[in-house]
Amino acid sequence: DGGITQSPKYLFRKEGQNVTLSCEQNLNHDAMYWYRQDPGQGLRLIYYSQIVNDFQKGDIAEGYSVSREKKESFPLTVTSAQKNPTAFYLCASTFGGNNEQFFGPGTRLTVL
Amino acid sequence: QKEVEQNSGPLSVPEGAIASLNCTYSDRGSQSFFWYRQYSGKSPELIMSIYSNGDKEDGRFTAQLNKASQYVSLLIRDSQPSDSATYLCAVNPFSGGYNKLIFGAGTRLAVHP
Repeated sequence: DGGITQSPKYLFRKEGQNVTLSCEQNLNHDAMYWYRQDPGQGLRLIYYSQIVNDFQKGDIAEGYSVSREKKESFPLTVTSAQKNPTAFYLCASTFGGNNEQFFGPGTRLTVL
Repeated sequence: QKEVEQNSGPLSVPEGAIASLNCTYSDRGSQSFFWYRQYSGKSPELIMSIYSNGDKEDGRFTAQLNKASQYVSLLIRDSQPSDSATYLCAVNPFSGGYNKLIFGAGTRLAVHP
């Protein structure tokens, strides 16, 4: 089955810890994205990548880092510099110039 | 500041009625428009995309685009309780770069039996 997978589904972080969220897709999509969603709010773009080994900051990149070493994978690290990381994190991908973005199931991160 | 605005709702409609969801956007050069459905606790699911003025129908869903007035709407005919969800409008602004979407905060739809 083709799709986008994210892991873990739930993640708990202590203050001062870095954590990495996984995003994998087997759709052969070129571009991948990370969004953050807070309760009652829309999605805000953290980082995006159009091709392997290249990525750009979105609107709220501070406190986050990414890598794109493989076309299929786009992991997101939430660093201790992110002051309010508790949120629902969504990974998406799209094929070429088609703007239709498809989402993974999400990771819910909670800071203890 | 590029913006996408939606009424947060809740929009409450009886089962079998037509639900009308609206979205306005600020960037006049926007080219692509999308509607996503998001159930509580789940990720967004793409239900409609529209690129040119007019109507686009897919089953019970119709997307309507009016670029001159800078609004896009979603009509859901014969609304069912299973349609109860938050509907997100997303826009690709012309000057926003390749494949970047701006999302509205969503409209919560409640379909009651």
